[in-house]
Amino acid sequence: AQSVTQLGSHVSVSEGALVLLRCNYSSSVPPYLFWYVQYPNQGLQLLLKYTSAATLVKGINGFEAEFKKSETSFHLTKPSAHMSDAAEYFCAVSLAQGAQKLVFGQGTRLTINP
Amino acid sequence: EPEVTQTPSHQVTQMGQEVILRCVPISNHLYFYWYRQILGQKVEFLVSFYNNEISEKSEIFDDQFSVERPDGSNFTLKIRSTKLEDSAMYFCASNPDTDTQYFGPGTRLTVL
Repeated sequence: AQSVTQLGSHVSVSEGALVLLRCNYSSSVPPYLFWYVQYPNQGLQLLLKYTSAATLVKGINGFEAEFKKSETSFHLTKPSAHMSDAAEYFCAVSLAQGAQKLVFGQGTRLTINP
Repeated sequence: EPEVTQTPSHQVTQMGQEVILRCVPISNHLYFYWYRQILGQKVEFLVSFYNNEISEKSEIFDDQFSVERPDGSNFTLKIRSTKLEDSAMYFCASNPDTDTQYFGPGTRLTVL
């Protein structure tokens, strides 16, 4: 069975600082990995995904993530935080495409300090 | 850009009542899902649906829950007799047969 662990339920950074949100996964087969963002009172929006191609994945809004098989990690980074990045971020794993369910981590709430 | 839509945005009901949550997936998508998020907790998978039948369901999806695609455009989640613990945000998602699920804005269900 797959599982996802997000280290840190709350992360706070200053505007302009590096954002690092941590995600570790467990999967018995090569996984597909995703980061979703949830802004207040909105649904889940896909930020980026890893599906066994390039290990460094670039997404929307300047975010990127690197798949590291040896560390079973898929951490999300952004070089310079913006106030509009304040949101809840969810890491998720699935086995493959099609009907496969997503298994989500607990989420990390990102706060940006002016 | 096509989006998944959900109605209503907020539903308040009394314990024991039936509720139907409605979703319109993106046209031409083949796979449909329901997830829920209890306040302060992670997003949890409930059920997936393909070719007019359930592909997979979680332990949460017991006999009180059912899904239907009645007319080729809507996708509904019915809870027959709501309990207090059913209070949550319910998300619908659809997938065109790729690796990406597209989520709707959610329906907040409050059971009193």
